Amino acid sequence: EPEVTQTPSHQVTQMGQEVILRCVPISNHLYFYWYRQILGQKVEFLVSFYNNEISEKSEIFDDQFSVERPDGSNFTLKIRSTKLEDSAMYFCASSWGEQMNTEAFFGQGTRLTVV
Amino acid sequence: DAKTTQPNSMESNEEEPVHLPCNHSTISGTDYIHWYRQLPSQGPEYVIHGLTSNVNNRMASLAIAEDRKSSTLILHRATLRDAAVYYCIRIYNQGGKLIFGQGTELSVKP
Repeated sequence: EPEVTQTPSHQVTQMGQEVILRCVPISNHLYFYWYRQILGQKVEFLVSFYNNEISEKSEIFDDQFSVERPDGSNFTLKIRSTKLEDSAMYFCASSWGEQMNTEAFFGQGTRLTVV
Repeated sequence: DAKTTQPNSMESNEEEPVHLPCNHSTISGTDYIHWYRQLPSQGPEYVIHGLTSNVNNRMASLAIAEDRKSSTLILHRATLRDAAVYYCIRIYNQGGKLIFGQGTELSVKP
């Protein structure tokens, strides 16, 4: 069964450093998403991406965050200058259509720890 | 705001059916109801979705009330592997991002 893969599974970084979280969505999918989950809290939407541009972003997704689809397979989330409060599980997801009437496939997540 | 209400936790016995309720009293006519679940230390996983009619798939059934203000996810025979947090999510007709609430933590006893 096709799956969304994320690397690395765990990333430790120092406060102020840049990190790039990588995702390989399912190959025929057109919509891509990043969500995050702080330990013990809800899963929160960060950003959606379609047709090579951001279609929607949340208040969390400020200027420190950016997304990119550098080639036909990867989808990345960059945090420019990490803060302690960015420590969380980051989930990438993809779907072939808009999430209203299709299922989203999530990756296993990257645990980001900012020290 | 998830705009759905679910019990914080439920318990079930293995091999028995489980009915997980969700209230979405302010739903509009074009909003879909989706259910996802999250097993421990894993990403969310799609379970089922519907608009007006009851839906069945290999994982579960979704019963949607006639007035659409509530729905129930039905696991026909719970297994230990079904222990997870179950999220009822209302998807608005505007882009369709998933807005997760706290969900229902389902525990399954052998």
